[in-house]
Amino acid sequence: GESVGLHLPTLSVQEGDNSIINCAYSNSASDYFIWYKQESGKGPQFIIDIRSNMDKRQGQRVTVLLNKTVKHLSLQIAATQPGDSAVYFCAERNGGAAGNKLTFGGGTRVLVKP
Amino acid sequence: AAGVIQSPRHLIKEKRETATLKCYPIPRHDTVYWYQQGPGQDPQFLISFYEKMQSDKGSIPDRFSAQQFSDYHSELNMSSLELGDSALYFCASSPRQGATEAFFGQGTRLTVV
Repeated sequence: GESVGLHLPTLSVQEGDNSIINCAYSNSASDYFIWYKQESGKGPQFIIDIRSNMDKRQGQRVTVLLNKTVKHLSLQIAATQPGDSAVYFCAERNGGAAGNKLTFGGGTRVLVKP
Repeated sequence: AAGVIQSPRHLIKEKRETATLKCYPIPRHDTVYWYQQGPGQDPQFLISFYEKMQSDKGSIPDRFSAQQFSDYHSELNMSSLELGDSALYFCASSPRQGATEAFFGQGTRLTVV
């Protein structure tokens, strides 16, 4: 079936270093791939998305890379800060114009060390 | 800025009881989604509504039902509760169907004892 998953459950990063979170997906028909951040006790928060016909998109301190050949998605966080400590989920959208059903993958916990 | 409001924040119910979770989307958002997140799990899509009509259905048990009202708020009704229903239930809204950014509420933590 369709699934989105992550390679690493926990990532420890020194403050100021760059973080890279990886994700594998299986549904090639998804039109968007999205990264969400979930802090303890809160709902997921949208970070950035990338359309399936793109391979790179940059935001503020974040970059998402999409490699459709190997069905791989990654989120790069530049100059990681303590506030970046959270669980990060990748998700894929498979609803097109008819909806916004998000299929989430397993999360990666990012711990930023001072 | 206004966010998605969910109530209650915490709920404790006994097995076989019923529960009703409420969601108030961001003003002018016409699409609402419900997700269930078990401990240490990723959010699982349950159901969504667009303009008060069900638009998509995920892994929602038959014991659960939901609807979106004329003021766009939504309610998730859960009957014959089971221990396995204990989870965080998130509601999210988006400004239009097809938008990639969904805004999530703080969630309702349901504990079934």
